[in-house]
Amino acid sequence: GAGVSQSPRYKVAKRGQDVALRCDPISGHVSLFWYQQALGQGPEFLTYFQNEAQLDKSGLPSDRFFAERPEGSVSTLKIQRTQQEDSAVYLCASSLVGTGAETQYFGPGTRLLVL
Amino acid sequence: QKEVEQNSGPLSVPEGAIASLNCTYSDRGSQSFFWYRQYSGKSPELIMSIYSNGDKEDGRFTAQLNKASQYVSLLIRDSQPSDSATYLCAVRDSGSARQLTFGSGTQLTVLP
Repeated sequence: GAGVSQSPRYKVAKRGQDVALRCDPISGHVSLFWYQQALGQGPEFLTYFQNEAQLDKSGLPSDRFFAERPEGSVSTLKIQRTQQEDSAVYLCASSLVGTGAETQYFGPGTRLLVL
Repeated sequence: QKEVEQNSGPLSVPEGAIASLNCTYSDRGSQSFFWYRQYSGKSPELIMSIYSNGDKEDGRFTAQLNKASQYVSLLIRDSQPSDSATYLCAVRDSGSARQLTFGSGTQLTVLP
């Protein structure tokens, strides 16, 4: 079946622009995660949804970052007034249920470059 | 702050050899441990998960967990050039948290 998809795959933004990154999880997956991966580093947690509820946003680096999942499926990560330090790969992952023991499946990521 | 530490490498092994990748973690209450493989420019792909002390084998891969020492390892037997990638150790926190905490990864090169 189809895996996690993300769009766009690449995004170049001028500093100060707003960007929106989309994630389509695997159909039926309850849990959805956003991670940020800087070059040469492991992914770092940003936020977590269970269905439409955002249960944890402790990893969002500033109030310029906002995520939503209004109908419990597709999610959007929005970054306002982008800064150069926001340049990274943004990964979305989904898992079937919310028990904590299940596998997280990652999408291909969106590579964001802020100039 | 909860941490996951890996030797960043790079680690080079000849084809057919055993590659040994190591990881330590700081949260003694962690319950779930994962190894992901990430090819350059690609997303992480789960290759092993382990939840109990001891060894878990899957084909050429063996994960080892020692909760007392807060240590996880991954052994790759009969290494192939196609195993060349970055290997990420990930730990799920204790409590109600669902997210993974990742190490910075170990870059493995298998030389033909």
